[in-house]
Amino acid sequence: DTEVTQTPKHLVMGMTNKKSLKCEQHMGHRAMYWYKQKAKKPPELMFVYSYEKLSINESVPSRFSPECPNSSLLNLHLHALQPEDSALYLCASSQFYLRARNEQYFGPGTRLTVT
Amino acid sequence: KQEVTQIPAALSVPEGENLVLNCSFTDSAIYNLQWFRQDPGKGLTSLLLIQSSQREQTSGRLNASLDKSSGRSTLYIAASQPGDSATYLCAPEGGSEKLVFGKGTKLTVNP
Repeated sequence: DTEVTQTPKHLVMGMTNKKSLKCEQHMGHRAMYWYKQKAKKPPELMFVYSYEKLSINESVPSRFSPECPNSSLLNLHLHALQPEDSALYLCASSQFYLRARNEQYFGPGTRLTVT
Repeated sequence: KQEVTQIPAALSVPEGENLVLNCSFTDSAIYNLQWFRQDPGKGLTSLLLIQSSQREQTSGRLNASLDKSSGRSTLYIAASQPGDSATYLCAPEGGSEKLVFGKGTKLTVNP
């Protein structure tokens, strides 16, 4: 099973709302990632968790707050977003971080619209 | 800073044709390179991963090659089908331990 699940599939939120995106994998992977993808652009890395610890933050604004409660679960907490934050948010996982055989598996994404 | 270029940006072919998608990258110090496909509005599906020590990798009708020293990878699709229509992304993973994506090649296979 190489499945990464993400909920919700779609989310519409106002600029004053607080919401969370959820990502789950049961492949025993120890690295998990958040990417942001704008229309007709490639994915851009936001955060990397390795063994439940934040290892990379790509200078993401603090209105995005990641959390990794356990090795299977990754959350992205959203607060006071801007309309330009509207995008497809993708979660990915991989077995080994910092290894040559580090194949990343992606979830279907959450389509976020900020109004 | 790694820069990834994919050529062509778009490609339209008749069903049954063999085709090649190209990917070039500026920093050859990579651990591996992954090829993905993405359908409109969907997530990425991993197609192939080539480790830096490998020259090629095959999966079904797909064959990916890697020439690390020249900073090039190609994805060969044999006997293309309408279901192959998607955007294909290449992404080397390098010294920064991050995937860096190209802008993709949008493939349309016409019945």
